[in-house]
Amino acid sequence: DQQVKQNSPSLSVQEGRISILNCDYTNSMFDYFLWYKKYPAEGPTFLISISSIKDKNEDGRFTVFLNKSAKHLSLHIVPSQPGDSAVYFCAASAVGSGNTGKLIFGQGTTLQVKP
Amino acid sequence: DAGITQSPRHKVTETGTPVTLRCHQTENHRYMYWYRQDPGHGLRLIHYSYGVKDTDKGEVSDGYSVSRSKTEDFLLTLESATSSQTSVYFCAISETRTGNYGYTFGSGTRLTVV
Repeated sequence: DQQVKQNSPSLSVQEGRISILNCDYTNSMFDYFLWYKKYPAEGPTFLISISSIKDKNEDGRFTVFLNKSAKHLSLHIVPSQPGDSAVYFCAASAVGSGNTGKLIFGQGTTLQVKP
Repeated sequence: DAGITQSPRHKVTETGTPVTLRCHQTENHRYMYWYRQDPGHGLRLIHYSYGVKDTDKGEVSDGYSVSRSKTEDFLLTLESATSSQTSVYFCAISETRTGNYGYTFGSGTRLTVV
């Protein structure tokens, strides 16, 4: 039972254009969402997060949007750069009272940014 | 990654042998996690720890055990390795229970069971 789903295994965009990575979740208890970036032979690194009380969070070129009614979030990268080429993981947790707070990850989307 | 190291980085072992992977942190974080990464599955939680001698199962715990006798070390043991346990294993640490500041991951251990 995949509670966090990234349905696009890969995405290819041109340098300078927008990259949009999508993520869907099924567990309505999730109230905190994160994106991680992973380069080959390295561990994932934290990129950006959003709480369920917000619908948008921005950090430089990276913006995460949350649509709670649709149980959907997306990561926008503008403008995309070749160094952004990596695997991106969406993750979710239930941080409210009584919940364990463990991160549940999606399958990942491989982003390729072409020069 | 600074503050968290995994050993070994690579290991090849035979089916049926026991294997122990080590995660060591210098951040004094209370929360530690073991994940495995497989194509098409992303990162799946194996076991986690909320403190010394306080561990619990994740979503794919069958065939694995863990121990945490010190804050800084979290060991993952495959009691009798199988080919289905060929994977890349990541350890992660967190300052908070909720991980809302994000987990810090180690660089991973690539395990091959032949």
